[in-house]
Formats: sequence, C-alpha cells, structure tokens
Amino acid sequence: KQEVTQIPAALSVPEGENLVLNCSFTDSAIYNLQWFRQDPGKGLTSLLLIQSSQREQTSGRLNASLDKSSGRSTLYIAASQPGDSATYLCAVRQYTGNQFYFGTGTSLTVIP
Amino acid sequence: EAGVAQSPRYKIIEKRQSVAFWCNPISGHATLYWYQQILGQGPKLLIQFQNNGVVDDSQLPKDRFSAERLKGVDSTLKIQPAKLEDSAVYLCASSLEPGQYSPLHFGNGTRLTVT
Repeated sequence: KQEVTQIPAALSVPEGENLVLNCSFTDSAIYNLQWFRQDPGKGLTSLLLIQSSQREQTSGRLNASLDKSSGRSTLYIAASQPGDSATYLCAVRQYTGNQFYFGTGTSLTVIP
Repeated sequence: EAGVAQSPRYKIIEKRQSVAFWCNPISGHATLYWYQQILGQGPKLLIQFQNNGVVDDSQLPKDRFSAERLKGVDSTLKIQPAKLEDSAVYLCASSLEPGQYSPLHFGNGTRLTVT
C-alpha cells in the first residue's frame, strides 16, 4: 500500500526566506503528484500538479519537482510571505484503483 | 467554473444522533470522493464514486456510515449513529475521468463536532 510522508511536520521561517518542503512516497506507479494548501478551517486548495512524465512545475513563487524513481517531490517557495502561512499537503494518484494518497502535511509559519 | 459545493459548513450533534452531508461536484466531473480529516492528519478516503457506482469503500465504517450518489451528480454522506471519534472535517472532492491530467478539486468541507 502507498505511504506518503512529509518532512518536516512544522516549519517556521522569517519573512523573505526561501524554503523547501519535502514529500516522499513508497510506490512509484503514480499518475501524478499534487501539492495543496490548507488554511485553518478550510478545504484544500490545489497549488500545482505534476504529471508522472514531468520533472517540475512552476506557478509564481512556487516550484514543485518530481523524481519518481526515488519517490520524492519537493515544493520550493521563494521569498516567503506571512500570507504563505498554512498547512501544505502532497498527494499522489495511483494507477491502481485511481486513488489519491495524502501525506500528513507540513505546517508553515512565516514570521513578519 | 463553479467549485465543489458542500453543506452544511458546520454541524454539532450529540453522540448516537444522525447527520447528513451534501456535496455537489464540479460539473462534468465523473469521479467523486469523500474524505475524513481528523485534526493534524491528512485526509483519509472514505468512499470513491465513478459516476453513480462505488469504486472503493474499503475504509468506510459501513455499520454507521453510508453514502450515495444518485444520477451520478451530487452525493450525500450519512452517519448514523454518530460516535465521539467521528468528530472531524468531512471533505468532498471531484475530478475528471482517471488519468494524469486530472487534478483533484476540494470543497470547503463540513466540520462535525460530536459531543
């Protein structure tokens, strides 16, 4: 069964710093990997989706990479802002059963 | 495009009572998912529908939880009777047909508190 791990569980950085969030998965038979943001009390907002055939995706200050062979993805956030404070979750979509498996998230706090 | 709609946003009930949640996916999305998210954890899949058929309900506590997706569009998740450990956020999500180009879209969730 697929297992998705996110490290660290929590991260606190000063405003303006660049940072990297990590996501690892055990089964590389995936369609894609998706990064989400979740604000307290809210649902999940999709940030980036990387298809299995891609190596990275970029949106504004966000860059996500995917290394299927090693079962890893990173989310890079440039020039962090207090508004980036949230929980970031990654999810992989399996070939078998078409299920999504989620990590437990990284809680990010950007200090002004 | 309109997003995934869920209601209610919040619900407080006593244990052993029943509760129902409603979800309307994005128009044209064939796949609908119900997730349970306990505080501090990632979402856990309860049930997955493809059109109006169940694809996966292996983690649904069938003695108390039920779900349906009539006509392959909106869906209802019910809990009867509720237990204290059912306190969580219930998230509905939808996606297009299976495939690598199809992201998952979430609603805002229903926060359930069982007292």
